[in-house]
Amino acid sequence: NAGVMQNPRHLVRRRGQEARLRCSPMKGHSHVYWYRQLPEEGLKFMVYLQKENIIDESGMPKERFSAEFPKEGPSILRIQQVVRGDSAAYFCASSPQGDTGELFFGEGSRLTVL
Amino acid sequence: GQNIDQPTEMTATEGAIVQINCTYQTSGFNGLFWYQQHAGEAPTFLSYNVLDGLEEKGRFSSFLSRSKGYSYLLLKELQMKDSASYLCAVREGVDYKLSFGAGTTVTVRA
Repeated sequence: NAGVMQNPRHLVRRRGQEARLRCSPMKGHSHVYWYRQLPEEGLKFMVYLQKENIIDESGMPKERFSAEFPKEGPSILRIQQVVRGDSAAYFCASSPQGDTGELFFGEGSRLTVL
Repeated sequence: GQNIDQPTEMTATEGAIVQINCTYQTSGFNGLFWYQQHAGEAPTFLSYNVLDGLEEKGRFSSFLSRSKGYSYLLLKELQMKDSASYLCAVREGVDYKLSFGAGTTVTVRA
């Protein structure tokens, strides 16, 4: 398996609960990006991370959202105290260091908040 | 920031040609990408343009004019499986972050 792996593929949460979405980049990739896609809308950039560093979080909501990419293990997007408006597909993408800039996307995690 | 515009929907007949236009406004332009996304699936890379001109890859071609802030994706010999959303994305600077348009949904009819 050489692709970007995301889990869970589908997640249902009630308002006020926490959602944790995981992303394992392609082998050899050290750059991870999280995007959010609402129905009928385009992919919106959230955050860009390298190992142990947040490079750009300009697209992250100021509250309740956080992301990490530890030295070992997958990248995690964490949403605390979820609200109905957080229902969306969350896509992770990765890229290798020093390449042309193409992003490789995972299958996405679809969050539904009841 | 970026302002990326593309049509919302297009419909074409199997075997025909469709051209999807994309206009953008950005500073520090460093590449334009086209991705294909089938419903419920991951976006997959189609093409990349950083210099003016036409890039051809099989049935798909992409064109870029940096001075006009304009690109198009040309799909030839349309097949039913080409029914999907086509996303135009622009890269600024060198950090690989892409900004996406809202996507164009192409429906291919028999």
